[in-house]
Amino acid sequence: GNSVTQMEGPVTLSEEAFLTINCTYTATGYPSLFWYVQYPGEGLQLLLKATKADDKGSNKGFEATYRKETTSFHLEKGSVQVSDSAVYFCALSRGSNDYKLSFGAGTTVTVRA
Amino acid sequence: NAGVTQTPKFRVLKTGQSMTLLCAQDMNHEYMYWYRQDPGMGLRLIHYSVGEGTTAKGEVPDGYNVSRLKKQNFLLGLESAAPSQTSVYFCASSNNRQGWNTEAFFGQGTRLTVV
Repeated sequence: GNSVTQMEGPVTLSEEAFLTINCTYTATGYPSLFWYVQYPGEGLQLLLKATKADDKGSNKGFEATYRKETTSFHLEKGSVQVSDSAVYFCALSRGSNDYKLSFGAGTTVTVRA
Repeated sequence: NAGVTQTPKFRVLKTGQSMTLLCAQDMNHEYMYWYRQDPGMGLRLIHYSVGEGTTAKGEVPDGYNVSRLKKQNFLLGLESAAPSQTSVYFCASSNNRQGWNTEAFFGQGTRLTVV
């Protein structure tokens, strides 16, 4: 079946530090890959996505590249801010009339001033 | 634009009580989902619906029932609540007509405690 594995948190960083959150997946076919972010007290919202191999998704300074050869979709940001403190979820959708999202466990990121 | 709205936002139940969580979306989406979020386990799919009048089981359906009588509403029912159902519940919707790479929109969640 489909599955997503994320690096475990929590992650604590200082402002302007570099952030990487690892994500690997297992799926048949050619899934779409997503990063969702959950700010405190809120629901999830889409951060970025990639729909085919070598695609790079980007938003709000975050980037992730769809690597089919390593089945990975690592999230990176070069200089984090306190406002980036949140829980980040990697997810996949297998497609082929199966639109359900499979989520990783989530990584809690805290950025300190 | 309200998006996805869940009610209630908080609820405390006694073991054995029943309740219904309501999800409403105003985006004319075909797909709707109920997830539960537990620490260290990410979001797990309880039930989902691919259109009005249809429902299907997800990963963790036991103890829950759902109904999709209207396209914009997706109800999650707990017939006899158990402490193991203490969780945060999220409803989401998406539109498959745009293709298989569509974004899911989430409600703000319902925090349920069963004592």
